[in-house]
Amino acid sequence: GENVEQHPSTLSVQEGDSAVIKCTYSDSASNYFPWYKQELGKRPQLIIDIRSNVGEKKDQRIAVTLNKTAKHFSLHITETQPEDSAVYFCAASVLGNEKLTFGTGTRLTIIP
Amino acid sequence: DADVTQTPRNRITKTGKRIMLECSQTKGHDRMYWYRQDPGLGLRLIYYSFDVKDINKGEISDGYSVSRQAQAKFSLSLESAIPNQTALYFCATSDRGWTEQYFGPGTRLTVT
Repeated sequence: GENVEQHPSTLSVQEGDSAVIKCTYSDSASNYFPWYKQELGKRPQLIIDIRSNVGEKKDQRIAVTLNKTAKHFSLHITETQPEDSAVYFCAASVLGNEKLTFGTGTRLTIIP
Repeated sequence: DADVTQTPRNRITKTGKRIMLECSQTKGHDRMYWYRQDPGLGLRLIYYSFDVKDINKGEISDGYSVSRQAQAKFSLSLESAIPNQTALYFCATSDRGWTEQYFGPGTRLTVT
């Protein structure tokens, strides 16, 4: 089955700086890659996703890039703010199968 | 998101007891999922259901069973709880296709 690895497990950045979280996946058939944000004590919520026919997608301060050849994708957050502090999960979905395989999560802390 | 609800929100039980966690949704989605979240391990899929007559095992189904009583209801049972089933459990729903999964608020289960 699919295996998703996520790094780093924890990340601290100064407010205003950029943060990058990286994931790799094992199944070349995967074609859907969402990112979820989980604030402390809350449920995970989708913040951005990308499909395999696209190399990059942006939504205001967040962006996701995908390299299908290398089987990795990354989340980029620019101009970080205190409200960006949370746990972020990447995930991958195998073609024809609507279940997600999640990475192990990255705890992002924004230092004021 | 009030459209996906879970009961109970917190539960403490003893080893060997049977326990049921319930999930209800008003989104009209066909797909429903049960995950468990453990620190450092991310979100792991226990069971999933694509419609009322469809039940599938996820990556960690041993020790768990499920019931899809209706399109809107999906229950997770622990037949004989053990301490390593202590975790945060999330229910999620999604529409057909590679779309967003909507998570419930979670159930924190402690097995003593």
